[in-house]
Amino acid sequence: GAGVSQSPRYKVAKRGQDVALRCDPISGHVSLFWYQQALGQGPEFLTYFQNEAQLDKSGLPSDRFFAERPEGSVSTLKIQRTQQEDSAVYLCASSPLGIGNEKLFFGSGTQLSVL
Amino acid sequence: AQSVTQLDSHVSVSEGTPVLLRCNYSSSYSPSLFWYVQHPNKGLQLLLKYTSAATLVKGINGFEAEFKKSETSFHLTKPSAHMSDAAEYFCVVSEDSNYQLIWGAGTKLIIKP
Repeated sequence: GAGVSQSPRYKVAKRGQDVALRCDPISGHVSLFWYQQALGQGPEFLTYFQNEAQLDKSGLPSDRFFAERPEGSVSTLKIQRTQQEDSAVYLCASSPLGIGNEKLFFGSGTQLSVL
Repeated sequence: AQSVTQLDSHVSVSEGTPVLLRCNYSSSYSPSLFWYVQHPNKGLQLLLKYTSAATLVKGINGFEAEFKKSETSFHLTKPSAHMSDAAEYFCVVSEDSNYQLIWGAGTKLIIKP
């Protein structure tokens, strides 16, 4: 596609439910990032992939968060046993380069609300 | 440790008047600095980037920013605001060879007709 696509656009979950958020990066992009953006805040780094390799997951807030990119393209961020503090917008970004922070292209995000 | 402070959570200007969005950073090394813009229901878009070349950086849509090491600032300016500039703006810092971006809390720019 023309840009980074994220789905669903909105997700409402009951506390304790598992959720899966999908990111379709721009075709051919090497780097893929996940960020969490709480209301009124800037994005915070969650994890980074270079192709299928997860090179950094230091930003994942707990072991309930898991991300994968098995074929080096589409990525899924999974949150198990959701809690209210998980409510945020989850942003995906991709880059054609392997360096990381250059030329990031962002999706519109998935807004997660945990009730 | 790196950090970014955006000094104003909201800035309101009249259409046609200058825009100034303030950003101060803290970094142990030679930083890369960015400004991103986020329009409602749209993805974040890179406005401009500084990487130790010219201290005055020109970006898209008439925006520019000046890197001032002595003041640890990277303020964003535009000579004349347009209604389409209404959005949230984020100042971002990254240390060389470190892909992690540290984001400010954002400044919401409001344009009055």
